[in-house]
Amino acid sequence: NAGVTQTPKFRVLKTGQSMTLLCAQDMNHEYMYWYRQDPGMGLRLIHYSVGEGTTAKGEVPDGYNVSRLKKQNFLLGLESAAPSQTSVYFCASSPGRISGNTIYFGEGSWLTVV
Amino acid sequence: KNQVEQSPQSLIILEGKNCTLQCNYTVSPFSNLRWYKQDTGRGPVSLTIMTFSENTKSNGRYTATLDADTKQSSLHITASQLSDSASYICVVSASPAYKYIFGTGTRLKVLA
Repeated sequence: NAGVTQTPKFRVLKTGQSMTLLCAQDMNHEYMYWYRQDPGMGLRLIHYSVGEGTTAKGEVPDGYNVSRLKKQNFLLGLESAAPSQTSVYFCASSPGRISGNTIYFGEGSWLTVV
Repeated sequence: KNQVEQSPQSLIILEGKNCTLQCNYTVSPFSNLRWYKQDTGRGPVSLTIMTFSENTKSNGRYTATLDADTKQSSLHITASQLSDSASYICVVSASPAYKYIFGTGTRLKVLA
């Protein structure tokens, strides 16, 4: 049982380049999330999805786009990478709706923008 | 403003000793409080989840307490092991169900 899988794990981008982070979950969860984790700060929500075909903005959405075409996948895109987007990105999923559900996290994707 | 504050920022203890980590929150409306363990270079893993009506929840050597009146929680680790070295993150859930406020974590180092 893989849980939440993120690819790639490491990536170095030049300023202005674009890329997509892929998140896949095999637990049939309704809710999926993308967070970023920066030193000295708690995880911050970028975008989230409450079901297939739906997405919504989180706390820090600027510079990112997402898509949830299939229930098991949640893609995070950077159209024009900036050094401020250097961070560790975590995808997560949860069954949704019931607030006491456990959130399951992926192993993280380390992105450096130079 | 919804906030979760954790203390101490970092802690070093000897193997076999106990320790307690603190979490204070100002989140409304409160739904539940979670503690996560994050090993270096890994994703967070859930330890406990407590609703406002639960005072204590245990998971092996980890015991979490919650005082919803004072908006404080603690995570007590008993008989620490080297594998307990990690960051411990307090997460408070508000309504709606997708809204989670993360603390900055306490970095624990257990020495042999």
